[in-house]
Amino acid sequence: AQSVTQLGSHVSVSEGALVLLRCNYSSSVPPYLFWYVQYPNQGLQLLLKYTTGATLVKGINGFEAEFKKSETSFHLTKPSAHMSDAAEYFCAVSDSGANSKLTFGKGITLSVRP
Amino acid sequence: GAGVSQSPSNKVTEKGKDVELRCDPISGHTALYWYRQSLGQGLEFLIYFQGNSAPDKSGLPSDRFSAERTGGSVSTLTIQRTQQEDSAVYLCASSLKSGAFFGQGTRLTVV
Repeated sequence: AQSVTQLGSHVSVSEGALVLLRCNYSSSVPPYLFWYVQYPNQGLQLLLKYTTGATLVKGINGFEAEFKKSETSFHLTKPSAHMSDAAEYFCAVSDSGANSKLTFGKGITLSVRP
Repeated sequence: GAGVSQSPSNKVTEKGKDVELRCDPISGHTALYWYRQSLGQGLEFLIYFQGNSAPDKSGLPSDRFSAERTGGSVSTLTIQRTQQEDSAVYLCASSLKSGAFFGQGTRLTVV
C-alpha cells in the first residue's frame, strides 16, 4: 500500500521568502510522485512530477522538488514566494506508473504575507 | 475544450434523492478517476478506470455509490439515496502517460 504524509496543514511565508512544503511517502515499489496546486474554487493543477531519471524536478511557476529515496521525501520548494502562490498544495504518489491510481496527502495551505 | 469537463458544477439535492454526476475526460486518455474532497478530509479516492480493465472500486464508501464509464470515455458517478454526509466536491480526472488532469469538480450539497 502507498501513502503520503504532509505534516502540518498551514504554512505562512513572507513575500520573497523561501517556500518549503514537505512531503514524505511510503511505497513498496519505486514511486511516481506528484505535486498539485489548488487555487480557491478551482480544480487541481499539476505542478510537477517525478517518474524516473533526474531526481530534481522543475515545474511550473518556479517550483521544483527533489526526490530523495533515502529519506522517502519529495519536498516542494520555491526560492521566492509571490502573493499569487497562495493556494493549497497536495503531494501524491502512484506505485504503478504515471497513469495509475494516485494517493494524495491531506494538503497544505500556503499563505503569503505582503 | 481540451480539458476535463464535469457537470453540473453545482448540485443541491434533497436527502434521499439519487444524483448523477458526469465527467467528460480528455480525448484519448485511457485512465479516469473519481475523487471526493470534503472540508478537512483531503482528497478521498473513490474509483479508477483504466482502459478495458475492471475498475478499481476499492474507494467507494458504500453500495449507494456506483460509477460507469461508457465506451472508454464519458463517466457517470451515481449516488443513490443521498445523505448529508455525501455533501462534498466530487472531482474527476483523466490521464494518459503524464499524470492526472483534473476537472473543476461538482459541488454536491445534500439538504
